[in-house]
Amino acid sequence: GQNIDQPTEMTATEGAIVQINCTYQTSGFNGLFWYQQHAGEAPTFLSYNVLDGLEEKGRFSSFLSRSKGYSYLLLKELQMKDSASYLCAVRVWEGKSTFGDGTTLTVKP
Amino acid sequence: KAGVTQTPRYLIKTRGQQVTLSCSPISGHRSVSWYQQTPGQGLQFLFEYFSETQRNKGNFPGRFSGRQFSNSRSEMNVSTLELGDSALYLCATAEADNEQFFGPGTRLTVL
Repeated sequence: GQNIDQPTEMTATEGAIVQINCTYQTSGFNGLFWYQQHAGEAPTFLSYNVLDGLEEKGRFSSFLSRSKGYSYLLLKELQMKDSASYLCAVRVWEGKSTFGDGTTLTVKP
Repeated sequence: KAGVTQTPRYLIKTRGQQVTLSCSPISGHRSVSWYQQTPGQGLQFLFEYFSETQRNKGNFPGRFSGRQFSNSRSEMNVSTLELGDSALYLCATAEADNEQFFGPGTRLTVL
């Protein structure tokens, strides 16, 4: 089976840095994605890692360690609009992605 | 480019009925995936189509089916609706195996 774990909820303060972890155990691996989903809206793509290391994209960075089955999403200079659910997804094989249940991040003033 | 569109956006059906949902991908996207999202189960993979062929299928009963047309538009059908089928149904499209772009979803309520 496929198993993706991420914390259910996190809270952080505006302007701070937050790290959302994701661990996975899947039958295949062809890339890891992070998506952001605001309440009542569709998920939107944030980042993609297929090789080990850090990918930086503005205030967002994502890290992958394939040997450890581990990824994290780092959000810097948090803003109120960053309050959302963050979904970790593993492309198990061609055309199939498995999603974690998501981490609900609340940013407080 | 226009985004992914899904119709209808909202739907109310009763148990036993059947429903067809539609997804129009971004131009050039040949992969269309369908997901069911519920508060308790998160995003669950239904199936994926690429160039009119179903490449992958999730663990859903045979009541859930789909197809893709030559213009890459896709439909999913749910027959003999059950209360537990109430959910947000999302389609996501991609050029190939890169990042997916999600449509706004169809919220299905089964009474």
